[in-house]
Amino acid sequence: NAGVTQTPKFQVLKTGQSMTLQCAQDMNHNSMYWYRQDPGMGLRLIYYSASEGTTDKGEVPNGYNVSRLNKREFSLRLESAAPSQTSVYFCASSSRRNQPQHFGDGTRLSIL
Amino acid sequence: AQTVTQSQPEMSVQEAETVTLSCTYDTSESDYYLFWYKQPPSRQMILVIRQEAYKQQNATENRFSVNFQKAAKSFSLKISDSQLGDAAMYFCAYVDRIGDDKIIFGKGTRLHILP
Repeated sequence: NAGVTQTPKFQVLKTGQSMTLQCAQDMNHNSMYWYRQDPGMGLRLIYYSASEGTTDKGEVPNGYNVSRLNKREFSLRLESAAPSQTSVYFCASSSRRNQPQHFGDGTRLSIL
Repeated sequence: AQTVTQSQPEMSVQEAETVTLSCTYDTSESDYYLFWYKQPPSRQMILVIRQEAYKQQNATENRFSVNFQKAAKSFSLKISDSQLGDAAMYFCAYVDRIGDDKIIFGKGTRLHILP
């Protein structure tokens, strides 16, 4: 059981570079989410997708774009990376809102 | 907007003792779901327990139980017989039963287990 797979696990970028974080789930879940985790800030929702073909902004969407490519995949793009986007990024999925979220292992992203 | 507050950034408990982690939330909704997640040093996020707001009975999962006080908007997690493996960050989370699918997390409480 792969669950939620995120790639890459680590990445270092220079300011201004672009990058796409990939996420795929094999549990046939409708909802998918992108979070960032910073020390002392908990998990903050960047974007989410309640179903294939829909995406909505979360708490901190500025500087990011997402694509729900199909039911399995939900990617997060940084068009012009900034040092403030240095963080650990988590992708998650769930079948329904009253069900637990399944998380990927996270991507540690550093912007120099 | 809904908010989730965990007022204890860090806590420590002696092994085998009981500890309670606090969580309060703010919402104008009457029906919602609440969760506690655990994040050990491995960084994996693991569901500990969940509660449906319309259920009066407090949820229990083995050594983990909640004290859900709907009127007070409080959702604390009690860990009994603490074990070294319980050392982790614990996050409280909230989501509406209807409406948008946003899940709101608290900032977390780091729990240390003292041998």
